[in-house]
Amino acid sequence: DAKTTQPNSMESNEEEPVHLPCNHSTISGTDYIHWYRQLPSQGPEYVIHGLTSNVNNRMASLAIAEDRKSSTLILHRATLRDAAVYYCILRDVGSNYQLIWGAGTKLIIKP
Amino acid sequence: KAGVTQTPRYLIKTRGQQVTLSCSPISGHRSVSWYQQTPGQGLQFLFEYFSETQRNKGNFPGRFSGRQFSNSRSEMNVSTLELGDSALYLCASSRGDTAGEKLFFGSGTQLSVL
Repeated sequence: DAKTTQPNSMESNEEEPVHLPCNHSTISGTDYIHWYRQLPSQGPEYVIHGLTSNVNNRMASLAIAEDRKSSTLILHRATLRDAAVYYCILRDVGSNYQLIWGAGTKLIIKP
Repeated sequence: KAGVTQTPRYLIKTRGQQVTLSCSPISGHRSVSWYQQTPGQGLQFLFEYFSETQRNKGNFPGRFSGRQFSNSRSEMNVSTLELGDSALYLCASSRGDTAGEKLFFGSGTQLSVL
């Protein structure tokens, strides 16, 4: 099964950009890369996803390496509300779309 | 558009009892998946139902079961509860027809087994 590796935690200052890395060296050609985040006492929330090209939305940007073995979630200007656990997940078409969750990165935002 | 609704929000049971949790997906979504979240193990996939059929199953004992109804609402059941079953149980809904779609999560049911 394809899996992801993320740092356990990261710290950043408020109003600065944040780059959250994710390694997925065993990714297959049809796996989508998804990012979700979970705020305290809430269910996970969708952030962004992509397949091969970089993606942007109102929440974040996703930069995908050319070989697809790693990706980076970019929060352009972190706020205190962005403090959460961020999960990088592969969605495997070959396994009926099953999500394979990693341990996530706990993002700490310092005011 | 209403979000994913999970009931009840909190539940306290004793060892040996059984429990049923409910999940109402977003209208039009045919896939419902269930997860167990504990501080030590993180998010663990239980199973996924798509159009009333179990499509995926995680590595949990047979005490954990589920079903999905024709209106896509889903229930999960845990029989013979153990202390270790204390956890936040989350469900997520999606259209279920592509790997590039979003999942929408409910707020979860916090189960405490005493």
